[in-house]
Amino acid sequence: GNSVTQMEGPVTLSEEAFLTINCTYTATGYPSLFWYVQYPGEGLQLLLKATKADDKGSNKGFEATYRKETTSFHLEKGSVQVSDSAVYFCAQKTSYDKVIFGPGTSLSVIP
Amino acid sequence: DAGVIQSPRHEVTEMGQEVTLRCKPISGHNSLFWYRQTMMRGLELLIYFNNNVPIDDSGMPEDRFSAKMPNASFSTLKIQPSEPRDSAVYFCASLPSGSGNTIYFGEGSWLTVV
Repeated sequence: GNSVTQMEGPVTLSEEAFLTINCTYTATGYPSLFWYVQYPGEGLQLLLKATKADDKGSNKGFEATYRKETTSFHLEKGSVQVSDSAVYFCAQKTSYDKVIFGPGTSLSVIP
Repeated sequence: DAGVIQSPRHEVTEMGQEVTLRCKPISGHNSLFWYRQTMMRGLELLIYFNNNVPIDDSGMPEDRFSAKMPNASFSTLKIQPSEPRDSAVYFCASLPSGSGNTIYFGEGSWLTVV
C-alpha cells in the first residue's frame, strides 16, 4: 500500500545550520509529493511540492527533489532561522486523490 | 476567498456525550478529508470523500465514529459516545481536482473529553 516515512525527531539545530529531513515513500503508481509545515496551534500549510520525477520544489529557502529511483523527497535548507521552528510533514497524493502524511518531524532552531 | 472553516475551534465535553464537528470546504473543491492529530499517533487520515461520496473510511477507529457529507459545502464528523482517548485535534481539509493540486487545511477542532 501507500505510505510515507520520515526521520524521527525532534531535531535541534543552531541558527544558520544546514537542515536535512529525510522522507521516503511507498506507492503504486506515481504520486505527487509535498512538504507541509505546522506552527504551534495552527493547521498545516503547504511548504513546497513536486508532481513528477526529478522535479524540485522550493519555497522560503527550502528545497526537495522528487527521486523516483530512491523513492525519496528529502527536505533541505542551507541556513535555518529561529522562525523555522515547527513540525514538518512529508505527504503523498495518490492517483485517486488520497493524501497520506508521514508522522512529522519537529524542528527546534536555537539562537 | 475563505479557507476551510471548522467549528467548534475548541470543545470540552464529558465522557459519554455526543460530539459533532463541522466543516465547510473551500468552494469548488471536490475532495474532503478528516484527519486526527495526537502526540502519540501523529496525523491520521480518518475518512475522505470525493464528490460527497465516502471513498475510504478505513481510518475510522471504530463504530463510535461516523462522518457524513450531505452536500458539497458541508461535512460532519460525529463521535457517540465520546471517550477520553478521543481527545485530539481534528482537522478537516479540502482538495480541488487535478493531479498537481494541493490540499488545504482548516485550523482544526481541539477536542478534550474528560
